[in-house]
Amino acid sequence: TAGITQAPTSQILAAGRSMTLRCTQDMRHNAMYWYRQDLGLGLRLIHYSNTAGTTGKGEVPDGYSVSRANTDDFPLTLASAVPSQTSVYFCASSLLAGGTDTQYFGPGTRLTVL
Amino acid sequence: GQNIDQPTEMTATEGAIVQINCTYQTSGFNGLFWYQQHAGEAPTFLSYNVLDGLEEKGRFSSFLSRSKGYSYLLLKELQMKDSASYLCAVRDSNYQLIWGAGTKLIIKP
Repeated sequence: TAGITQAPTSQILAAGRSMTLRCTQDMRHNAMYWYRQDLGLGLRLIHYSNTAGTTGKGEVPDGYSVSRANTDDFPLTLASAVPSQTSVYFCASSLLAGGTDTQYFGPGTRLTVL
Repeated sequence: GQNIDQPTEMTATEGAIVQINCTYQTSGFNGLFWYQQHAGEAPTFLSYNVLDGLEEKGRFSSFLSRSKGYSYLLLKELQMKDSASYLCAVRDSNYQLIWGAGTKLIIKP
């Protein structure tokens, strides 16, 4: 079972360019999430989706957009990258069926914006 | 505002016991999670507490006191592979996870 996959593994991007980070899960989870992780800070939620066709803003949504056309895929787009978006990006998913509702994480994408 | 506090770094000896504390102030409480994250890898789930008390899972145990806004993760019989960051997260009233910055645990032989 693949679980959650992310692509690319790493990327160097020129400021002002656009980029889409890909995330796919094969666990039929309802909810998906995008986080960024920066040194000395906790994981911060960028956007989330509780079910296909719906999305919501997290703590740090500015400069990012998402879509959820189907259950499996949840791409994150940077329309015009800035150096402050240099970070490690993690996609996660959860069943969202109450109880523990554990989030499972993809391997991450390391993005550098120059 | 919402806040999760953990020590930045701790050092322990192989075979020993270590306790990693987490205090939180959040808008609402719907459970507390501990995750392990090895350097350069994704966080992986360790434990979940929603009621007060101790949850034991092998060498790892997690404790919760909701009235004190406090949790700890207890690691016994430390092994070198336990060298990692340990992340505390609280699910708030909006059902979103609020994350601490993590505690880097260094295990020495």
